Amino acid sequence: DVKVTQSSRYLVKRTGEKVFLECVQDMDHENMFWYRQDPGLGLRLIYFSYDVKMKEKGDIPEGYSVSREKKERFSLILESASTNQTSMYLCASHPAKSSGNTIYFGEGSWLTVV
Amino acid sequence: AQRVTQPEKLLSVFKGAPVELKCNYSYSGSPELFWYVQYSRQRLQLLLRHISRESIKGFTADLNKGETSFHLKKPFAQEEDSAMYYCALGGSGNTGKLIFGQGTTLQVKP
Repeated sequence: DVKVTQSSRYLVKRTGEKVFLECVQDMDHENMFWYRQDPGLGLRLIYFSYDVKMKEKGDIPEGYSVSREKKERFSLILESASTNQTSMYLCASHPAKSSGNTIYFGEGSWLTVV
Repeated sequence: AQRVTQPEKLLSVFKGAPVELKCNYSYSGSPELFWYVQYSRQRLQLLLRHISRESIKGFTADLNKGETSFHLKKPFAQEEDSAMYYCALGGSGNTGKLIFGQGTTLQVKP
């Protein structure tokens, strides 16, 4: 069974703080993703990584960066958090060798920026 | 441009009534369509994908390329079906990159 773990479930941060959201998957998946989930907007892709140290911008990368130093771990970084980044953040992974595009999600990290 | 549209934010039905959650997509190539579901306090999980052509928890969805739709249907709704449902589109290339619709909250009343 695929396990995608987001270590921080609920965070409250101040405007201007640097925020790290961590995600770990245990299935040796090559591809990992960070999505943002907002009511009425659905899920929007922030960043995508297809290999260690490789990353690709998604639809809404502004204000975010990512780090993938190890295959199993994909971090989302908010360099200077702002209130409009208050949201639910979802990490997902996908095995590149699979047939198809099914992805597996973590439980999500609720971030509130005050 | 690739796009997924779920026109209903909220769908409210009574237990035992039929359910149809609408999904329309825009994609020039050969699409791969999914329905994901998120129950209260649980992670987003795959409900079904069009290439499997299977029924999960009584739900089915048929890809209609002519109408570019992938509506999710269930003949008799149950209270435990209450959840947020997302339609998603994957393209060729097997990257796992999905485009999601806005989501529809299904509320099944007793």
